[in-house]
Amino acid sequence: KQEVTQIPAALSVPEGENLVLNCSFTDSAIYNLQWFRQDPGKGLTSLLLIQSSQREQTSGRLNASLDKSSGRSTLYIAASQPGDSATYLCAVSYTGNQFYFGTGTSLTVIP
Amino acid sequence: SAVISQKPSRDICQRGTSLTIQCQVDSQVTMMFWYRQQPGQSLTLIATANQGSEATYESGFVIDKFPISRPNLTFSTLTVSNMSPEDSSIYLCSVPQASGEQYFGPGTRLTVT
Repeated sequence: KQEVTQIPAALSVPEGENLVLNCSFTDSAIYNLQWFRQDPGKGLTSLLLIQSSQREQTSGRLNASLDKSSGRSTLYIAASQPGDSATYLCAVSYTGNQFYFGTGTSLTVIP
Repeated sequence: SAVISQKPSRDICQRGTSLTIQCQVDSQVTMMFWYRQQPGQSLTLIATANQGSEATYESGFVIDKFPISRPNLTFSTLTVSNMSPEDSSIYLCSVPQASGEQYFGPGTRLTVT
């Protein structure tokens, strides 16, 4: 069974702080990895996709890295804002289609 | 990027009844996926819906409980049959893009009483 773990489960930081969310997966033979954001009671918003051949991807204040050999990915959020408060999910795919999701990190950014 | 809509956005249903959830995509896609997110949990894949063939179900999910239709390349339905309170979840459909990126619909929040 493919397992994806996210640490920490919850995080509370003051506004302006830089932060790192962690994702680990048991099988390193991934096809790609995607980070999502989910607001309470809502669907998923795609943040970043990293292909297996890539080491990192950047979008605005977000930077995601991938280390396949160690089965890890990190999502770095710079200069956090209250609007960043949400649950962040990482998901890995081994085929390019089906995704296996982590348990999520609930982020609260305090004004 | 694909735009995905789902109906209904939410519903409250009685135990023993069935609910059909619709997923509409604004472009033709070969594969569509249905996920379930139980309260406080992450997403679990229910099945893969391919146009022109029967859906492929993941372990723990069966066709009698979650029948799926895929009449064309832009539409799919998921029915939650003979519901119980344990079926209370958010149900989401998703489609893969050519880039490998997965896009999700807004979800259907189901409460079974």
